[in-house]
Amino acid sequence: AQSVSQHNHHVILSEAASLELGCNYSYGGTVNLFWYVQYPGQHLQLLLKYFSGDPLVKGIKGFEAEFIKSKFSFNLRKPSVQWSDTAEYFCAVFSGTYKYIFGTGTRLKVLA
Amino acid sequence: DAGVTQSPTHLIKTRGQHVTLRCSPISGHKSVSWYQQVLGQGPQFIFQYYEKEERGRGNFPDRFSARQFPNYSSELNVNALLLGDSALYLCASSYLAGADTQYFGPGTRLTVL
Repeated sequence: AQSVSQHNHHVILSEAASLELGCNYSYGGTVNLFWYVQYPGQHLQLLLKYFSGDPLVKGIKGFEAEFIKSKFSFNLRKPSVQWSDTAEYFCAVFSGTYKYIFGTGTRLKVLA
Repeated sequence: DAGVTQSPTHLIKTRGQHVTLRCSPISGHKSVSWYQQVLGQGPQFIFQYYEKEERGRGNFPDRFSARQFPNYSSELNVNALLLGDSALYLCASSYLAGADTQYFGPGTRLTVL
């Protein structure tokens, strides 16, 4: 069965630290990849997405993610986090069977 | 512009009952998807509808059904409720079906006693 794994369930960082959140998926066909974010008290919203082309994609608020096909990975990065990045981050895969599959999420807390 | 709206916000039901959840998409969006989110887990895909037709279905029992109306709003119905159906039910709309960006609503919190 298709699955999405997010390795870190809780991450605590100080402001200005670098961030990398891991995401691996198990589907072997063509996929579309997403990172969604849920800030406290807000709805889930898109952070960035990869459909094709340059495997390094840039999203809002300085986030980027790299698609490595050979590793089935789509890790999220930010060089320097801010207190306002405190949120829950979800990796998601859309496969050709018209299904979205989300990971279990990573709760990021940034200490001021 | 208004975002995705869902009603009701909260709902308490007992086992065996039936529930209907409602969703209004962002104006201009033709696709609605439904997700179930259990505490501590990511959203689990239930259905995607586009132009009133089911385009995708997750691994949920037949007790779960949905429909989309001509105005693109949608209902999710769950029959014979079980305790395990307690969850946050999220609706998301998108302009197209498939992998288009999902815009999520606030969700309906369902508690089954």
